[in-house]
Amino acid sequence: DTAVSQTPKYLVTQMGNDKSIKCEQNLGHDTMYWYKQDSKKFLKIMFSYNNKELIINETVPNRFSPKSPDKAHLNLHINSLELGDSAVYFCASSQWSAGRTEAFFGQGTRLTVV
Amino acid sequence: QKEVEQDPGPLSVPEGAIVSLNCTYSNSAFQYFMWYRQYSRKGPELLMYTYSSGNKEDGRFTAQVDKSSKYISLFIRDSQPSDSATYLCAMRGDRGSTLGRLYFGRGTQLTVWP
Repeated sequence: DTAVSQTPKYLVTQMGNDKSIKCEQNLGHDTMYWYKQDSKKFLKIMFSYNNKELIINETVPNRFSPKSPDKAHLNLHINSLELGDSAVYFCASSQWSAGRTEAFFGQGTRLTVV
Repeated sequence: QKEVEQDPGPLSVPEGAIVSLNCTYSNSAFQYFMWYRQYSRKGPELLMYTYSSGNKEDGRFTAQVDKSSKYISLFIRDSQPSDSATYLCAMRGDRGSTLGRLYFGRGTQLTVWP
């Protein structure tokens, strides 16, 4: 029974295309995140939503737009994909209201832009 | 200077060895410290979560935090080939920009050979 699930797991697309990644968590958490992991394994936060409200928006190109339809779902839409967007994107969730923001991660979406 | 520094390795040890993994950090606002394990092509998995200075033990794993030196460690006793993975340290604070997000080290790649 997967706690944080992302789809798709792999995504290969051409430059200039628009794509979306979906995330769902069944942990009952109130906060969800998007992290990006580069080729050197460095994980950096992109966005965070708490109870469907955007609370963290890092310096990310505005081609990236997150959407949270409800507490259990967080999607990431990317417009006009560029080669430099190739990375692994991780969705994560945590229970902020309990004062614990250690995150539980999904399996990742490996995005390759060609 | 990155906020969290971690030697990427690689680190290669024989089965049964004691492994020591370390991170240093610069932001004194960090209060909560985590270690994640990431297997190849998987998402990070939370191993240890500690608050402030001190030690925490869980089976073969011991996490140590020395806030005065801004230094954290993870020790793995009786290491097993199944411990082969990348180990990421992460931390956060409870105020300002350190609230609600995790700051990660680059990860140390560990191989335990039989």
